[in-house]
Amino acid sequence: DVKVTQSSRYLVKRTGEKVFLECVQDMDHENMFWYRQDPGLGLRLIYFSYDVKMKEKGDIPEGYSVSREKKERFSLILESASTNQTSMYLCASSVNPGVPDTQYFGPGTRLTVL
Amino acid sequence: QKEVEQNSGPLSVPEGAIASLNCTYSDRGSQSFFWYRQYSGKSPELIMFIYSNGDKEDGRFTAQLNKASQYVSLLIRDSQPSDSATYLCAVAYQGGSEKLVFGKGMKLTVNP
Repeated sequence: DVKVTQSSRYLVKRTGEKVFLECVQDMDHENMFWYRQDPGLGLRLIYFSYDVKMKEKGDIPEGYSVSREKKERFSLILESASTNQTSMYLCASSVNPGVPDTQYFGPGTRLTVL
Repeated sequence: QKEVEQNSGPLSVPEGAIASLNCTYSDRGSQSFFWYRQYSGKSPELIMFIYSNGDKEDGRFTAQLNKASQYVSLLIRDSQPSDSATYLCAVAYQGGSEKLVFGKGMKLTVNP
């Protein structure tokens, strides 16, 4: 079975802090994604990566950056956390580069910024 | 703007009934369509995908695609209380490569 894990289920940070969210997948998938999910707004893509060191902006990249130094690991970075970044963050991965494919999601990290 | 619209819901059906969930999308060139289920407090999981016009059946689930009308639906036959969840429609837009655009979801409750 595909397994996508995220470093924390719950995280509380203060405004202005630098925040790292980690995601690891164990199935050698090429593509990895970061979404945030908010009530009434659904799932929105922040960034995705189709290869090591490669990344592409999603629909809402402002205030975020990402890092993919190894194929299995994709990190989301909040450079200076703000209260409007309080949300559920979901990581996902999929197998095939260049084509739409089933995405497998991690359990999510609920981030609260105070 | 690439859009995926789902009925706002929520939808409530009695146990054993057919639940019908609908989704429309804005890009006529879209080729791939996915239905995900998300239980409360959990992450989304794939139910099924469809690429061709017509129906695709998997157990109690049937996905229906009409590209001319830009419409995709999910039918759940013999609905069970365990089907109570939020259902997300996702569309891969032409030229969007690996990316999916998700609808906001429809909450389904199946009453015993």
